[in-house]
Amino acid sequence: KNQVEQSPQSLIILEGKNCTLQCNYTVSPFSNLRWYKQDTGRGPVSLTIMTFSENTKSNGRYTATLDADTKQSSLHITASQLSDSASYICVVRDNRLAFGKGNQVVVIP
Amino acid sequence: EPEVTQTPSHQVTQMGQEVILRCVPISNHLYFYWYRQILGQKVEFLVSFYNNEISEKSEIFDDQFSVERPDGSNFTLKIRSTKLEDSAMYFCASSDLRTGGNTIYFGEGSWLTVV
Repeated sequence: KNQVEQSPQSLIILEGKNCTLQCNYTVSPFSNLRWYKQDTGRGPVSLTIMTFSENTKSNGRYTATLDADTKQSSLHITASQLSDSASYICVVRDNRLAFGKGNQVVVIP
Repeated sequence: EPEVTQTPSHQVTQMGQEVILRCVPISNHLYFYWYRQILGQKVEFLVSFYNNEISEKSEIFDDQFSVERPDGSNFTLKIRSTKLEDSAMYFCASSDLRTGGNTIYFGEGSWLTVV
């Protein structure tokens, strides 16, 4: 069973709109949670890293939240741009990184 | 910004052939990793490397795989006798610390196609 579950699997949004991606995890013990952006055919690029004591962290138009009690995280994209079209991967760390399958986001004009 | 570089970007090889994927991690990093991503699937951990030895490996990293740091800059993944199911994108990554909130930097990947 995958230890990191992401939803929705895919999402189409209009340019300029906001969207929220969800990540639920069962990894334990928990060290930190990361969100990566992966463009098609490219390597993942780190967006945010949060430890269990952090509730929210922003990186430009990306804002990640974390609820360590319920083991849930979200990534909010504000005022989406065409370049935001990518897969967003939630990664939870105990001793190694456990990857989710990603949220595939497509931004259309 | 420093980056992890990988070569080749794409390689096609016949089943049973040996393949070496090369990586140049970020220069001051101490921890090195290989991950793979089969098309349409999630990224999977293969192996981590520190202080010139494997620190951890997954069940995927069987005897056909090996890693080496032959000099001060390169970090290689060798697949001894490739199988069709080895077709995937292989990502090299590096970090300066193993624990805590350190960022792990990924290369752009080497796309391996086994025919």
